[in-house]
Amino acid sequence: KAGVTQTPRYLIKTRGQQVTLSCSPISGHRSVSWYQQTPGQGLQFLFEYFSETQRNKGNFPGRFSGRQFSNSRSEMNVSTLELGDSALYLCASSPQDRLMRDTQYFGPGTRLTVL
Amino acid sequence: GEDVEQSLFLSVREGDSSVINCTYTDSSSTYLYWYKQEPGAGLQLLTYIFSNMDMKQDQRLTVLLNKKDKHLSLRIADTQTGDSAIYFCAERFTGGGNKLTFGTGTQLKVEL
Repeated sequence: KAGVTQTPRYLIKTRGQQVTLSCSPISGHRSVSWYQQTPGQGLQFLFEYFSETQRNKGNFPGRFSGRQFSNSRSEMNVSTLELGDSALYLCASSPQDRLMRDTQYFGPGTRLTVL
Repeated sequence: GEDVEQSLFLSVREGDSSVINCTYTDSSSTYLYWYKQEPGAGLQLLTYIFSNMDMKQDQRLTVLLNKKDKHLSLRIADTQTGDSAIYFCAERFTGGGNKLTFGTGTQLKVEL
C-alpha cells in the first residue's frame, strides 16, 4: 500500500495570507490527524477527523481549521498567517480496525515558511 | 496531566547498544509509541506497547515499560550509523481519542 501523502511538500507564504494543505491517508484508513512541529514547541496535536467529522481538537486558535472528505482525504487551512506559523505540518492516518486500532502512520510533512 | 520527557541527546559507537529513555505522567495512558525522524522526513513508526505489557521485542528493538515509575525505554541492539536520527516517544491516553502527546525527542548520534 502507498503511504500517507501530503501536498505540497514545501510552501512559502507571506504574513496575512492563507494556506491550504492536503493529506491523502493510506488506503482504507478512516482517521486523519494533523500535527505541527516547530523547534520551540516540538510536536503538537492540531485536530483529528473521522468520517468527515472533527473528533478531537488541540489547543490552537480558530485560524487553524480542517475538514475531511468522504474518501477520507483531509485538508487543513490556516488563515491570516503569522510568522510563528512557520513549521512542519504532519498528517497521520490510522486504520481504526480491531488489530492495529489507532496506530498512526505519518506522511512526510509540508514545510511551511511564512515571511 | 500530559507531559512526556526525554533526554535531548545520546551518542554511541557503532555496534554498541543504545538506550533511549522517556518518562510520562499520565497513568491512564493506554498505548505508548516510539517514532523515528530522519532529517527532512516525517515520523516513522518503530514500535508500540500496550500499557498492560512490560516488554516487547521486535528484531533489534526492545521496549521496556515500568508503569510504577511511568518510565519507558527503547533499546536498539547493534546500533548502526543508519540509526542516527531523532527518536520520539508518544503516549495516547484513555479518553484522548487519537491524540498523541509527544516527548521532546532524543537526538541519537552513532559514531564509527
